[in-house]
Amino acid sequence: RKEVEQDPGPFNVPEGATVAFNCTYSNSASQSFFWYRQDCRKEPKLLMSVYSSGNEDGRFTAQLNRASQYISLLIRDSKLSDSATYLCVVNNNQGGKLIFGQGTELSVKP
Amino acid sequence: DADVTQTPRNRITKTGKRIMLECSQTKGHDRMYWYRQDPGLGLRLIYYSFDVKDINKGEISDGYSVSRQAQAKFSLSLESAIPNQTALYFCATSDSGGGGELFFGEGSRLTVL
Repeated sequence: RKEVEQDPGPFNVPEGATVAFNCTYSNSASQSFFWYRQDCRKEPKLLMSVYSSGNEDGRFTAQLNRASQYISLLIRDSKLSDSATYLCVVNNNQGGKLIFGQGTELSVKP
Repeated sequence: DADVTQTPRNRITKTGKRIMLECSQTKGHDRMYWYRQDPGLGLRLIYYSFDVKDINKGEISDGYSVSRQAQAKFSLSLESAIPNQTALYFCATSDSGGGGELFFGEGSRLTVL
């Protein structure tokens, strides 16, 4: 079983749609969780950290469920510019290494 | 100028050749990493270094070696390249107290024929 798993998609949605991505992790001792965004052929960049209480940044909401060992990312009112691959990242607490999921591709259409 | 710079950006080489990918950073971070990205597999950690005297293997270190020449420089070597090392390679840095934000270079696309 992979340490961090995501639905690879692709998710094809119309502009204005709400879309949600889920990510599961296997190490129950993991403490830190993040969502990164990667545009085609570009480097990944931090989108947002995921806190235990959940957090929101504009149209983006991230949530953590420790009991079920998954994190989620909700994007409301999708924009064309949201088209990218979204990477779930977990700090597995083994020497501070960050483990990446395989990424979920999102395509927002007009 | 980019905070994390990788060279070369693109390289085509032949099986058996020695290849070095270089990474330098101006962020003043202690921690540096090398990842490779393959379609459908996400980013996988090759090696990481938490300071100049610290080198650690990641999940896929076989066939690779690294050198941390200075706080700002971390190079990745393929001693004898093989075709399944064809991939997009990313260098990244992080602050030791930063929790989890990685700052990536723009990537080095390597093709081994």
